[in-house]
Amino acid sequence: GAVVSQHPSWVICKSGTSVKIECRSLDFQATTMFWYRQFPKQSLMLMATSNEGSKATYEQGVEKDKFLINHASLTLSTLTVTSAHPEDSSFYICSARGALSYEQYFGPGTRLTVT
Amino acid sequence: KNEVEQSPQNLTAQEGEFITINCSYSVGISALHWLQQHPGGGIVSLFMLSSGKKKHGRLIATINIQEKHSSLHITASHPRDSAVYICAVLGGGTYKYIFGTGTRLKVLA
Repeated sequence: GAVVSQHPSWVICKSGTSVKIECRSLDFQATTMFWYRQFPKQSLMLMATSNEGSKATYEQGVEKDKFLINHASLTLSTLTVTSAHPEDSSFYICSARGALSYEQYFGPGTRLTVT
Repeated sequence: KNEVEQSPQNLTAQEGEFITINCSYSVGISALHWLQQHPGGGIVSLFMLSSGKKKHGRLIATINIQEKHSSLHITASHPRDSAVYICAVLGGGTYKYIFGTGTRLKVLA
């Protein structure tokens, strides 16, 4: 089946620094990638949708200047959390979809802790 | 009321028991997705359904489009099945998932 990887799997950073999370589709071309955030014991919350070569579309309430998303190729999207604060600590999950399917394939997630 | 409701929210079972998790939705959908999330956080795709029934190993998923309802069954449950099971629907005409709140399953040895 389709495989999506994320790197890093966990990261600890200091308040005020920026952190980049990578999402890669390993065996298919991902025309669309999605970034989700998940708080403990809650469901996934869609943050933004990115199409390869286009600007990301952010969900209401998500700060686009804080969560920078780049989808420069058909196999890679990145999420950069800028000027991180402790309230940004969360589990970030990406998913990817190919052009011919509406099924999304999920990455393993990245746990971000901001101290 | 959520557009996607799952029941039960929490479930504890003994090893070997037959388990059913239900998902009801109130919107028109193009497909329904059952996902499994282990304590470590990673999400595994179990089934994607738009009609009928699918089986994979000890897992069976069914969907009734008219009744807007899907069930996930686990036969001969095992402690390694302990996880959160999430129902996610794709609204008709959209690529965005609407997620249920999840069912937290614990299977005791």
